[in-house]
Amino acid sequence: EIVLTQSPETLSLSPGERATLSCGASQTIANNYLAWYQQKPGLAPRLLIYDASIRASGIPDRFSGGGSGTDFTLTISRLEPEDFAVYYCQQYGGSPTTFGQGTRLETK
Amino acid sequence: EVDLVESGGDLVQPGRSLRLSCVVSGFSFGDYGMHWVRQTPGKGLEWVSSISWNSGNIVYADSVKGRFIISRDNAKNSLYLQMNNLRPEDTAFYYCAKDRGGGFIFYYMDVWGKGTTVIVSS
Repeated sequence: EIVLTQSPETLSLSPGERATLSCGASQTIANNYLAWYQQKPGLAPRLLIYDASIRASGIPDRFSGGGSGTDFTLTISRLEPEDFAVYYCQQYGGSPTTFGQGTRLETK
Repeated sequence: EVDLVESGGDLVQPGRSLRLSCVVSGFSFGDYGMHWVRQTPGKGLEWVSSISWNSGNIVYADSVKGRFIISRDNAKNSLYLQMNNLRPEDTAFYYCAKDRGGGFIFYYMDVWGKGTTVIVSS
């Protein structure tokens, strides 16, 4: 099973700042099959990025995904108030699919 | 508009059974693989089970294998999770989610339901 480790656990930033979230895998993720989700309190996760770098439909271009192999990042170029939430990565390149433990992005 | 609505969550005693349902609308249900994912309060996401469009490919997490059964009825646009021999550690919020593909290979979850709560306690 591929273990995903997200860092940091909590990121404290202000609106307008740049956020960089990391997701490290215990082994290479085939085809860079990695997705990112955003989850706000009381709501279901929302798909942001798939295949490591492709934005899902309707996702603003301030969200970008990068990386390959075992190291991946989600970058939010300029934080908007609605971006403060918990972010999860998921790998689907190996079976079973697994999720990271999440990064909480909070307002500084 | 795509919508997934889960139901069936309840408070049950350890060892009992429960059946979750997920009714979908807004897309061609029979063309896509589907998943169940759970989340414990304040914790992260855990994949539970997946099923292909034709039920020909079914997989389970080790934590539920032999106890849970995933199924679907394409005529009713419905996904199910039969949960048997429930344990306190099965207590969680259960989401159904749509796969991006048919399920020959499972990918990411591009649409999620709002979830239903399962509490296993005596």
